[in-house]
Amino acid sequence: DVVMTQSPHSLPVTLGQPASISCRSSQSLVYRDGNTYLIWFHQRPGQSPRRLIYKVSNWDSGVPDRFSGSGSGTDFTLKISRVEAEDVGIYYCMQGTHWPPTFGQGTKLEIK
Amino acid sequence: QVQLVESGGGAVQPGGSLRLSCVASGFIFSQYSMHWVRQVPGKGLESVGVVSDGGTNTYYADSVRGRFTISRDNSKNTLYLQMNSLRVEDAAVYYCVRDREGPNGLDYWGQGTLVTVSS
Repeated sequence: DVVMTQSPHSLPVTLGQPASISCRSSQSLVYRDGNTYLIWFHQRPGQSPRRLIYKVSNWDSGVPDRFSGSGSGTDFTLKISRVEAEDVGIYYCMQGTHWPPTFGQGTKLEIK
Repeated sequence: QVQLVESGGGAVQPGGSLRLSCVASGFIFSQYSMHWVRQVPGKGLESVGVVSDGGTNTYYADSVRGRFTISRDNSKNTLYLQMNSLRVEDAAVYYCVRDREGPNGLDYWGQGTLVTVSS
């Protein structure tokens, strides 16, 4: 299975400051159609995951534009331009290119 | 709006069986592949398997292949997960998840149903 490695594991951030999460895959995530199926989810305590970004950099409906995704091949990044209180929780990257889909171990964002 | 509502979770002994259901609404269920994903409380996420939109194709994680079966009834907008020969390590919250912008483009998640396996 493709191993997804996120860093950091914990991310304390001051309100209004930027944040960045890294995700690396053990294999290229470029699919045979040329697309890269890398997704970012956010999970608040006690809630189900919510998809934020798909195919590396595409926003899902209703996702604030302070979130952005980038990367290619095996290296990907989720950035939050200005952290707000509602952004706390765990962020997961997931690859959908190879079966089975696999998730990173998560990055816990908290407010300093 | 898209809604996925799981049910059927509960406590079972090792070696036992359980069937989970997931009722979908707010979208044309028959047009989407559907996944089951599980999460041990406080831990990470693990894919269980997927069924194609028409129900003819299924894929499973190695950890459940041969024990779990995913099926669907498009006339009832319902997804199923039949779990047999349950093990302690199968205990988790089980989510049904829609697939959009795939392959494996998991987007909307249900609220989950908890399965506990212990003697």
